[in-house]
Amino acid sequence: EPEVTQTPSHQVTQMGQEVILRCVPISNHLYFYWYRQILGQKVEFLVSFYNNEISEKSEIFDDQFSVERPDGSNFTLKIRSTKLEDSAMYFCASSPAGRNTDTQYFGPGTRLTVL
Amino acid sequence: AQSVTQLDSQVPVFEEAPVELRCNYSSSVSVYLFWYVQYPNQGLQLLLKYLSGSTLVKGINGFEAEFNKSQTSFHLRKPSVHISDTAEYFCAVSEVGSNYKLTFGKGTLLTVNP
Repeated sequence: EPEVTQTPSHQVTQMGQEVILRCVPISNHLYFYWYRQILGQKVEFLVSFYNNEISEKSEIFDDQFSVERPDGSNFTLKIRSTKLEDSAMYFCASSPAGRNTDTQYFGPGTRLTVL
Repeated sequence: AQSVTQLDSQVPVFEEAPVELRCNYSSSVSVYLFWYVQYPNQGLQLLLKYLSGSTLVKGINGFEAEFNKSQTSFHLRKPSVHISDTAEYFCAVSEVGSNYKLTFGKGTLLTVNP
């Protein structure tokens, strides 16, 4: 069964450094999402992406964040200058077009630790 | 804006016992409702969803949930749990017409003991 994959599984970085989290969505999906979960808190929506542009973003998704689909398979989340409070588990998700667009398929997550 | 409340952060049960995980939501518009499960070191997996129609929905692994509009609830149930059901369960909503953005509850850790 096809699945969403994410790399790396764990990323440790110093405050102020740039990080890129990578995701490979399911191949025929057209909608892409990033969520994050700070330890002990809810899973929070960051951004949705469709047709090579952001369709919606949350208040969390400020100018430090960006997303890109650099080729036909990868979907990346970049944090330009990491802060301590960016430490969280980041989940990528994708969904197909058509009648099952409402169903998002999630990757296993990348745990980001900012020191 | 919508919100989701999962009333129990942890639910311990014995194997073969029934279980109910509670979820209440708040929204000013129509919503879609979902339950996701997360096994250790894995991503979120969809258990079931309610979009419209029958208020009782059946999902994978013997789980079901009932949408109650008057009580704004979407509780998850299973009549007899297995050890393998031990996992974190998340209730989520998306507002109709919202680009399918999901709003999650804090999760309920179900622990099934022998």
